[in-house]
Amino acid sequence: DAMVIQNPRYQVTQFGKPVTLSCSQTLNHNVMYWYQQKSSQAPKLLFHYYDKDFNNEADTPDNFQSRRPNTSFCFLDIRSPGLGDAAMYLCATSRDRPSHYEQYFGPGTRLTVT
Amino acid sequence: AQSVTQLGSHVSVSEGALVLLRCNYSSSVPPYLFWYVQYPNQGLQLLLKYTSAATLVKGINGFEAEFKKSETSFHLTKPSAHMSDAAEYFCAVSDFRGGGADGLTFGKGTHLIIQP
Repeated sequence: DAMVIQNPRYQVTQFGKPVTLSCSQTLNHNVMYWYQQKSSQAPKLLFHYYDKDFNNEADTPDNFQSRRPNTSFCFLDIRSPGLGDAAMYLCATSRDRPSHYEQYFGPGTRLTVT
Repeated sequence: AQSVTQLGSHVSVSEGALVLLRCNYSSSVPPYLFWYVQYPNQGLQLLLKYTSAATLVKGINGFEAEFKKSETSFHLTKPSAHMSDAAEYFCAVSDFRGGGADGLTFGKGTHLIIQP
């Protein structure tokens, strides 16, 4: 089945230690998104790629970076995690640019910062 | 900028009763609206979407929603609740950026509790 896969499902990192979360998709979608969802809150968009074009949200901290080496994979890098970065990180894809294309979400990676 | 308000952080209904989850939106342009469901420790699954076609939208698992422009609402309903409907429900609106690939702005979510 075509899907969005996130690894690992659970990640524990130490305060200030860089961490990378990965997302892969078999849908061959042009757009990939990263959302941050803190406990009992709505998902919040961090950034997205349209093909290789990177689009950062204005309020996304510089501590968060992303890479998309090819269509299938996208990575979220947190350079120096703080306690406030503990959250569920959701990857999503959509077929193309227009807003009516639905987004398909992965199961998420829950990040704990100790 | 677009925004979404979900009334009621928690809604409790009896099994077999009507489910009504409220969503109001604010948008300067005709919106695209979505309802997603999230089960514990899982990603979001699309229930249904409104993209300016029929105002009454039918989704999966027996859910439907009606777009009412005059009320700026997109409430989610299901005639008869099932225990498996217990989950977090998010209403979302597409962000328009003048042609760019747009993310979603989510409401704060409504936790649906089903009483046996």
